[in-house]
Amino acid sequence: DIQMTQSPSSLSASVGDRVTITCRASQSISSSLNWYQQKPGKAPKLLIFAASSLQSGVPSRFSGSGSGTDFTLTTSSLQPEDFATYYCQQSYNTPATFGQGTRLEIK
Amino acid sequence: QLQLQESGPGLVKPSETLSLTCTVSGGSISSSSYYWGWIRQPPGKGLEFIGSIHYSGSTYYNPSLKSRVTVSVDTSKNQFSLKVNSVTAADTAVYYCAKYTSGWPNWFDPWGQGTLVTVSS
Repeated sequence: DIQMTQSPSSLSASVGDRVTITCRASQSISSSLNWYQQKPGKAPKLLIFAASSLQSGVPSRFSGSGSGTDFTLTTSSLQPEDFATYYCQQSYNTPATFGQGTRLEIK
Repeated sequence: QLQLQESGPGLVKPSETLSLTCTVSGGSISSSSYYWGWIRQPPGKGLEFIGSIHYSGSTYYNPSLKSRVTVSVDTSKNQFSLKVNSVTAADTAVYYCAKYTSGWPNWFDPWGQGTLVTVSS
């Protein structure tokens, strides 16, 4: 299985901050990388697919980049509703695998 | 708007079989463009892909669970189901169903709200 490693595991930030989360794959996955946001007690929500494509309805302050083994999710200006846990997921090989998550907390 | 909803018992005894159903509304499960998948999340932990099925019956299972898992589809009811045999406390988790695009790129979206299944005597 392809291992996905996110960093940091947790992060404290303030409203208005620019925040970047990193996801690294154990082998090259081209651009087969998705990002999800999960709030407590809720299902994950797709934010970014194919490394950099914004899902319909997702605010433009979210952006994704990367290819190969290294990827980033950036929020340009944090809003109160952005405090959540973020997961990356590779769709290059089966089985699909997820990163361990990055918990974004209010400073 | 496509919606998915999980249903099934919230409590299962050790060594028994966990059975869940996902009902798809707002669209047909019989689309060649999609697979239908199950993902689980133990309390306070990350996400694990369990398995997926195409309306034609083609399945894929995570090798880590393959010996205990069966996913099936009922196109007449617009539903797909999950069975996990010989459960232990390690199978306690929130179970989600989700649509998975076939081809490339592919992703899980949308997801059901999730249902907590506890394995305990």
